[in-house]
Amino acid sequence: EPEVTQTPSHQVTQMGQEVILRCVPISNHLYFYWYRQILGQKVEFLVSFYNNEISEKSEIFDDQFSVERPDGSNFTLKIRSTKLEDSAMYFCASSLSISYEQYFGPGTRLTVT
Amino acid sequence: QKEVEQDPGPLSVPEGAIVSLNCTYSNSAFQYFMWYRQYSRKGPELLMYTYSSGNKEDGRFTAQVDKSSKYISLFIRDSQPSDSATYLCASNYGGSQGNLIFGKGTKLSVKP
Repeated sequence: EPEVTQTPSHQVTQMGQEVILRCVPISNHLYFYWYRQILGQKVEFLVSFYNNEISEKSEIFDDQFSVERPDGSNFTLKIRSTKLEDSAMYFCASSLSISYEQYFGPGTRLTVT
Repeated sequence: QKEVEQDPGPLSVPEGAIVSLNCTYSNSAFQYFMWYRQYSRKGPELLMYTYSSGNKEDGRFTAQVDKSSKYISLFIRDSQPSDSATYLCASNYGGSQGNLIFGKGTKLSVKP
């Protein structure tokens, strides 16, 4: 069964460093998303991406964040200068269409020290 | 206001019990609804997707939507210890581009 994959599973970085989180969405899906979940809190939407453009972004997704689809299979989230409060689980998701089911990856746990 | 509310529990039931998990949402602009299961430190796993009012069944799981009351439910029949997880409801706000708004999740424990 096709699934969303994410690498790495755990990333430890120092405050101020740049990190890139990687995702491989389900191959025939067209819409891609990033969400985050701070420990003990709700899953929060960050950004949606379609046709090589950002479709929607939340208030969390400020200038420190960027997304890219560098090739036909990968979808990345870059955080330019990490802060302590960026420590969270980051989930990638994909869907066939905008109103269809979203399938989530296993997540990347980001720890900023 | 765009809110999905969910009782965080925890909820503890004996094996074989019927489990009822519930969410409410803030206004009628929410269009479709999903239930996810999340094991500790893992990604949300999609269980059910519903669009219209009424019931949708898949194996031991039934999702119910009542748009007039802005109330959604997930029923689990013959619950198993392997069902122990956190259950998340989520909904898309009309006009958004896939922005799912999640409830906080209900932690379920099924005791053998």
